Amino acid sequence: AQSVTQLDSHVSVSEGTPVLLRCNYSSSYSPSLFWYVQHPNKGLQLLLKYTSAATLVKGINGFEAEFKKSETSFHLTKPSAHMSDAAEYFCVVSAWMDSSYKLIFGSGTRLLVRP
Amino acid sequence: AAGVIQSPRHLIKEKRETATLKCYPIPRHDTVYWYQQGPGQDPQFLISFYEKMQSDKGSIPDRFSAQQFSDYHSELNMSSLELGDSALYFCASSTNTGREGETQYFGPGTRLLVL
Repeated sequence: AQSVTQLDSHVSVSEGTPVLLRCNYSSSYSPSLFWYVQHPNKGLQLLLKYTSAATLVKGINGFEAEFKKSETSFHLTKPSAHMSDAAEYFCVVSAWMDSSYKLIFGSGTRLLVRP
Repeated sequence: AAGVIQSPRHLIKEKRETATLKCYPIPRHDTVYWYQQGPGQDPQFLISFYEKMQSDKGSIPDRFSAQQFSDYHSELNMSSLELGDSALYFCASSTNTGREGETQYFGPGTRLLVL
């Protein structure tokens, strides 16, 4: 069965330092992967997605993620954190289940940005 | 750009009451999905519609029903509300159901509180 595992429930960084949010996936083939961000009391916003094109995917707000098949990882990075990046981040895989594709969410990583 | 619209944004009901949540997809999107996100949880898929027909069903309680109308908007009807139904309900829309990698665009959510 396909799944995603977000390795950290909370990540805390200082403003201006790099961000790394880790995600590992489990799939029998090369899946479609997404990162969504959810700010407090807000909806889910798509940051970026991977669909078997370039392995390095650039998203909005300076975020990017690299698909590494050998490591079954799809980690999200940003060179320099901003206070506005504080939010919950979900790694998501599009999985074939019960005769259709469904989005399977990771458990989320809460990013805290210290001044 | 137009986004997914959900109404109401907040709703307070008492146990055993009914509630109706509405979702207006992005123009020209023909597929609508409903998700439930409990406190501290990741979103769980409830049900989806493609071209006004139910296309997929997840963990939607029998007390809930939904439909998609000719203008592609969707309504989630919830009856005999229970305390455990308190959650954030997301609607998402996309074009063409059943395709891997299809991006779902989420609305801001309706926060339901059952007292």
